[in-house]
Amino acid sequence: QVQLAESGGGVVQPGRSLRLSCTSSGITVSQYALHWVRQAPGKGLDWVAAISSDGSFKYYADSVRGRFTISRDNSRKILSLQMNSLRPDDAAKYFCARDESDYASSRWAYWGQGTLLTVSS
Amino acid sequence: QSALTQPASVSGSPGQSITISCTGTSDDVGGYSDVSWYQQHPGKAPKLIIYDVDNRPSGVSNRFSGSKSGNTASLTISGLRNEDEADYFCNSFRTSDTFVFGGGTKVTVL
Repeated sequence: QVQLAESGGGVVQPGRSLRLSCTSSGITVSQYALHWVRQAPGKGLDWVAAISSDGSFKYYADSVRGRFTISRDNSRKILSLQMNSLRPDDAAKYFCARDESDYASSRWAYWGQGTLLTVSS
Repeated sequence: QSALTQPASVSGSPGQSITISCTGTSDDVGGYSDVSWYQQHPGKAPKLIIYDVDNRPSGVSNRFSGSKSGNTASLTISGLRNEDEADYFCNSFRTSDTFVFGGGTKVTVL
């Protein structure tokens, strides 16, 4: 069974940094693109970033470009999201999702359960 | 980045069919076949139910179907069931190598 598990969420002050991780078990993720998607409490889904299977291509939403960095370590099956200069509107549950393509598509068949980020002073 | 436009809510009685629209532009829905739909129950992760406009993943009921005309994609749920009560989100690839979701539609089974 494919499982994705996010970690690293918590409470952070505005302007500070935090790093989220997503680990996989049950199936290899090295052949697929991976995404981060967030959802503020009671709100809709918001795509954040994506990375191709080999890490050579990275894609960002305008709202996070220049502040967030997506990366992956296929040998350790870890997807990361380094978040800098955090703002209150970054507060959300962050999901990782596995694409069905090696380059990014909108076909995300596997999702983790999410990790919650709170940005507050 | 403007979200795709979905109705906030749609309702129907068991057994009926409902359709959810998702309107974008030629830079996203209208320009690409990379349009998907996700179902999300409260407190759960989203579930892929339609990809590439009108394809169903293995294991997804054939009561779910997708289509597209111009800049508008649509999700139809036939033979509505109580378990279909959930939030539904469309998603599309967008020019400049980004992805955009719709605002979401809450489906209520009366």
